[in-house]
Amino acid sequence: DAKTTQPPSMDCAEGRAANLPCNHSTISGNEYVYWYRQIHSQGPQYIIHGLKNNETNEMASLIITEDRKSSTLILPHATLRDTAVYYCIVRGLRGYYGGSQGNLIFGKGTKLSVKP
Amino acid sequence: SAVISQKPSRDICQRGTSLTIQCQVDSQVTMMFWYRQQPGQSLTLIATANQGSEATYESGFVIDKFPISRPNLTFSTLTVSNMSPEDSSIYLCSVESVENTRSGANVLTFGAGSRLTVL
Repeated sequence: DAKTTQPPSMDCAEGRAANLPCNHSTISGNEYVYWYRQIHSQGPQYIIHGLKNNETNEMASLIITEDRKSSTLILPHATLRDTAVYYCIVRGLRGYYGGSQGNLIFGKGTKLSVKP
Repeated sequence: SAVISQKPSRDICQRGTSLTIQCQVDSQVTMMFWYRQQPGQSLTLIATANQGSEATYESGFVIDKFPISRPNLTFSTLTVSNMSPEDSSIYLCSVESVENTRSGANVLTFGAGSRLTVL
């Protein structure tokens, strides 16, 4: 699986958009970009994923560059509850264990602090 | 997506003892996964538990240290054996679920974790 690079930490003002970058320059053609987040004292939570088109759901938007070597997760109106570690992971749609995603490789992620 | 309950949520244990963590899912799942998150670190997969077969362990993790049971499609246990302070971690159970997306991608749902402190 391709390796990802994220800034270790970011700050964002409450109510403003939080833009979290991720570099994945070695991504292969069949690998998706997934984003999870981990709020303190909780397990990781799936946010969004995409292949090459921009994606949006009720939680966030995902912007993937045309060459797919980087992406940005956008939280349009960050709240204090969005303070968490955000993980960018690249992974094939079907993973190692016969279709499982179990072996997700979590990097260190970006610690996002939303401030009042 | 699935709802996962883990017990205990936290515990303080003595060196040399063993502790069993339980993971209960509200729906039947084929595979369950156990992760470890050491203090200040990211998550590392310990093993994959299939119902009716032995768990598959990742490099660096062995069955004698982390025995796993998977008696049915909604339940699994992870035992941390002969604990030492280095085993102080959060242990997380997760399962795969299908998100309602165009791609139908399977994503992981995690329990809240079990925070173990070994003295």
